Amino acid sequence: GAGVSQSPSNKVTEKGKDVELRCDPISGHTALYWYRQSLGQGLEFLIYFQGNSAPDKSGLPSDRFSAERTGGSVSTLTIQRTQQEDSAVYLCASSLVGQSNQPQHFGDGTRLSIL
Amino acid sequence: QKEVEQNSGPLSVPEGAIASLNCTYSDRGSQSFFWYRQYSGKSPELIMFIYSNGDKEDGRFTAQLNKASQYVSLLIRDSQPSDSATYLCAVSRGGRRALTFGSGTRLQVQP
Repeated sequence: GAGVSQSPSNKVTEKGKDVELRCDPISGHTALYWYRQSLGQGLEFLIYFQGNSAPDKSGLPSDRFSAERTGGSVSTLTIQRTQQEDSAVYLCASSLVGQSNQPQHFGDGTRLSIL
Repeated sequence: QKEVEQNSGPLSVPEGAIASLNCTYSDRGSQSFFWYRQYSGKSPELIMFIYSNGDKEDGRFTAQLNKASQYVSLLIRDSQPSDSATYLCAVSRGGRRALTFGSGTRLQVQP
């Protein structure tokens, strides 16, 4: 596709449930990033994938959060036993390669609401 | 001290004026600097990026970088009401691929 695609666009779930968020990066982009943006907060880095290298998980807030990237393309972010503080917009971005000078392009995000 | 600081605004300018958005950063190892525009309810959209000291111009937008002062700015000439949005400053350093974002400056362009 032309841009980063994320699904679902909105997700409402009950506290304690598990959720899966999907990201399909721009075709040809080898680097993929997950961020989240909470109400009134800046964008917060979660995890970064580059090709087949081990991901940088340094931004994951707890062990309830995990992510995988299959086949070097699509990524899934999983949040287990969701809490109300997990409510946020989860944004995926991709860049051509994983270098600090590479612009990152964002998808439209998944708005997650925990009841 | 936040790693990337921006005045939250709102910054209000009349249509046709120059809007000046500022950003300071604390990590002297920062190497790449990005400006994103975010409309309410939308995702961030890349506007400009700059790596070297000095000015970089693209249409109505000019990014300015001063690494000695740890300061980066975005100028928007001939501001339009459609420029009204939140502008996010983002910074990265060589050893870390993730971007560190400021909290954004809300710009309002008055018709």
